Amino acid sequence: DSGVTQTPKHLITATGQRVTLRCSPRSGDLSVYWYQQSLDQGLQFLIQYYNGEERAKGNILERFSAQQFPDLHSELNLSSLELGDSALYFCASSVDPFMGTGELFFGEGSRLTVL
Amino acid sequence: TQLLEQSPQFLSIQEGENLTVYCNSSSVFSSLQWYRQEPGEGPVLLVTVVTGGEVKKLKRLTFQFGDARKDSSLHITAAQTGDTGLYLCAGYSGAGSYQLTFGKGTKLSVIP
Repeated sequence: DSGVTQTPKHLITATGQRVTLRCSPRSGDLSVYWYQQSLDQGLQFLIQYYNGEERAKGNILERFSAQQFPDLHSELNLSSLELGDSALYFCASSVDPFMGTGELFFGEGSRLTVL
Repeated sequence: TQLLEQSPQFLSIQEGENLTVYCNSSSVFSSLQWYRQEPGEGPVLLVTVVTGGEVKKLKRLTFQFGDARKDSSLHITAAQTGDTGLYLCAGYSGAGSYQLTFGKGTKLSVIP
């Protein structure tokens, strides 16, 4: 158990819909990362927050947005869903993102299926 | 975006055999990490290598960081069925970098 909690574990929805994925980081971790994992693209970095502020942005589509709340939990919002958005979405947290060597602790992921 | 290429993509071996998987890039990384991911779970960190030429051992696993800090390898001695999983390398591009870039992974199957 990494200490990172993600909900829901599984989600099935239709094209055009909007979903919200939730992540609670490990106790004491201020940094939260979102990754998308698909068979052909591997683990793709989406976005990172540190103590409520966006710190780095990766290959995140404009239809996707995220935020980190004062209690440090984070939400990833996916809208106007397309079939290609079907993937595993992982949240990870870390203690110190500034050292450039920090370990990321991953949740078990949210599997999104868009029909 | 700095890319990490892993090879081979898939590897199926018999229990007791040795194997090496590779992680290569044209870019320099300040550090490289290896994670292992099992089905239905998130990746779990195995090791972090920081210094060019560094070698780290974790029981039957040996990790090496290239001298130029652009590549890394993972060698497993006498593989066991419990080693089955997806092995991912990941790199931080530099000091103050917040983005950890992952390779696509090597899927290892160890057959009894």
